[in-house]
Amino acid sequence: SQKIEQNSEALNIQEGKTATLTCNYTNYSPAYLQWYRQDPGRGPVFLLLIRENEKEKRKERLKVTFDTTLKQSLFHITASQPADSATYLCALNKAAGNKLTFGGGTRVLVKP
Amino acid sequence: NAGVTQTPKFRVLKTGQSMTLLCAQDMNHEYMYWYRQDPGMGLRLIHYSVGEGTTAKGEVPDGYNVSRLKKQNFLLGLESAAPSQTSVYFCASSLTLGPPRIFGPGTRLTVL
Repeated sequence: SQKIEQNSEALNIQEGKTATLTCNYTNYSPAYLQWYRQDPGRGPVFLLLIRENEKEKRKERLKVTFDTTLKQSLFHITASQPADSATYLCALNKAAGNKLTFGGGTRVLVKP
Repeated sequence: NAGVTQTPKFRVLKTGQSMTLLCAQDMNHEYMYWYRQDPGMGLRLIHYSVGEGTTAKGEVPDGYNVSRLKKQNFLLGLESAAPSQTSVYFCASSLTLGPPRIFGPGTRLTVL
């Protein structure tokens, strides 16, 4: 069955450093991969979408890579700030479909 | 522009009771979704709609029904609540086919 794995352990990082999160998937051939941010008690917020033919995408301090050979996406937050503390979710879907499959999320805590 | 709103924010039900969760969006979005989020698990799609008057099953539709009589509203019904339906429910919407872009704040439902 399709499986998406994100590190369930929280990532503690010092302010100013780069946070790197991993999203691995199996038994899946996604065409799109998305990253969302979720704060406690709130709904997810869409951050970035990367297509299978794109290796890398950037948005301000965020960078996402998508390696379809390794079946993995990396999500980087550069120059991290305490305000970046949240849970980050990855989600995948197939071409022309809008049924997303979500990972369980990784909590990031940026310490000042 | 309120985005996506959900009513109610919290609810406690007894096993066997029924209720309806309301999702409303004022962005003229065609696509609307209902997800549930359980601890340690990713969001799972319950039902979705690709336009007024349409509904379709997602990953975990059993025990739920939906209706989209008006474009701006998407209702999720539980006819006979079960403890397994204790969860946080999120509604989302998007303008075009693709990942849900805007999520609501969630409804926390407890079934005793």
